[in-house]
Amino acid sequence: DGGITQSPKYLFRKEGQNVTLSCEQNLNHDAMYWYRQDPGQGLRLIYYSQIVNDFQKGDIAEGYSVSREKKESFPLTVTSAQKNPTAFYLCASSMVGQGLYGYTFGSGTRLTVV
Amino acid sequence: GNSVTQMEGPVTLSEEAFLTINCTYTATGYPSLFWYVQYPGEGLQLLLKATKADDKGSNKGFEATYRKETTSFHLEKGSVQVSDSAVYFCALSDDSGAGSYQLTFGKGTKLSVIP
Repeated sequence: DGGITQSPKYLFRKEGQNVTLSCEQNLNHDAMYWYRQDPGQGLRLIYYSQIVNDFQKGDIAEGYSVSREKKESFPLTVTSAQKNPTAFYLCASSMVGQGLYGYTFGSGTRLTVV
Repeated sequence: GNSVTQMEGPVTLSEEAFLTINCTYTATGYPSLFWYVQYPGEGLQLLLKATKADDKGSNKGFEATYRKETTSFHLEKGSVQVSDSAVYFCALSDDSGAGSYQLTFGKGTKLSVIP
């Protein structure tokens, strides 16, 4: 079955470290997205990509970086410049030009700074 | 710009009670509307959707009607169960140009159903 796989489910980071969250989809979707979720704040868009080798900043891109070298993959790196990285991170994908269908979400990665 | 406003929670109901979660939106075009559900520790799942005015989306006993005149898409269920306890997100999808549809989310409403 097609879907989105996020790994790991839980991730612990020490202060000053960079960590990379994986997101892979086999839905043949063009667009992929990264969201951050904090309690009581809903979803905030970090980065999105509509085509391979191209991506745009969302509302809270500072301290994060992404790459889109393959259609199926959209990894997110949380850098040491992100001062408060503890959160739940969600990856999503969609077909470009297919607004009727909304997004398909992964099951999330919970990142904790220790 | 686009925005979605949904009622703040948390909402606590007894089993078999009637549920309404209000959602209103502002959009520049003709959006599609969605309700997503998030169970504890998981990602978001599409619950139902509507793509034009007066459409009714329905799934698992939940319903919502696209009301263009009141710019609303309220979620309802006639008899909730403990298993419905989750966070519910209202969202709209609008063409932001060049066929690019992005979702705008509300802040979510946490529902707790007690036996």
